[in-house]
Amino acid sequence: GAGVSQSPRYKVAKRGQDVALRCDPISGHVSLFWYQQALGQGPEFLTYFQNEAQLDKSGLPSDRFFAERPEGSVSTLKIQRTQQEDSAVYLCASSLDGTLGNSPLHFGNGTRLTVT
Amino acid sequence: EDQVTQSPEALRLQEGESSSLNCSYTVSGLRGLFWYRQDPGKGPEFLFTLYSAGEEKEKERLKATLTKKESFLHITAPKPEDSATYLCAGVNNTDKLIFGTGTRLQVFP
Repeated sequence: GAGVSQSPRYKVAKRGQDVALRCDPISGHVSLFWYQQALGQGPEFLTYFQNEAQLDKSGLPSDRFFAERPEGSVSTLKIQRTQQEDSAVYLCASSLDGTLGNSPLHFGNGTRLTVT
Repeated sequence: EDQVTQSPEALRLQEGESSSLNCSYTVSGLRGLFWYRQDPGKGPEFLFTLYSAGEEKEKERLKATLTKKESFLHITAPKPEDSATYLCAGVNNTDKLIFGTGTRLQVFP
C-alpha cells in the first residue's frame, strides 16, 4: 500500500483482557517502530525492529507488552492483561533504512485503545 | 537526559498573522531534528529534517530553521488549513527519536 496501515483503528478492552494491534509498514521499509501517544502528549518510543530483529525494546512499559515482526514485514504489538493506564493511541511507523537520521519516519494513523 | 521542549503549548492566530513555534532541545549527539504535523485522529506527517546549525528548509508557508540549541517553525500568512499540532523531534546518538509535546495551532478566518 501507499502508507503505513494499522488495525484496528479503535479497540475497547475490558481490564484484564489481552489485545493485539497490527501494523503493515510501507513495502520495502527496513525499520519499524512502535510508539505510544497519550492525549495531549508527543509520541513515546516503545520498541524498534530492523527487518525481523527487535533491536531495542527499552520503551516497553512492562513485561505485559510484547512485539514481534517474524518475517520482517507485518508487526504485532500485544498487550496482556490490559490495565486502564494502557489506554492511549498506539502508533506504528516505518522508515526506508536503518538509520533514523537519514530517512524520516512515516506514521500510520494509530490504534486508539480504551481499557474500561 | 535527552529532552525536547516546545512552546507555546497552544497558539491562536488570525488568518494571515505570521508567527513562530519554538523547539528547544537537549539531545546527545543530535543526528537530525524533525518537524511533523499531526491532525486530530491521524498519525504525524513528516515536514522537514534539519541536520546542522544554520540550515533552513521551506515548504509552502512553512520555514524551519535550526541553531545549536533551538529550532523554529515559522508560519507566514497562515490559513485555516494550517491548523494542526506541530511536533518537533530530535534523533540522538543511539538513533532514538525524542518527541516534544507539540504546539496546537489554530488559525481563524
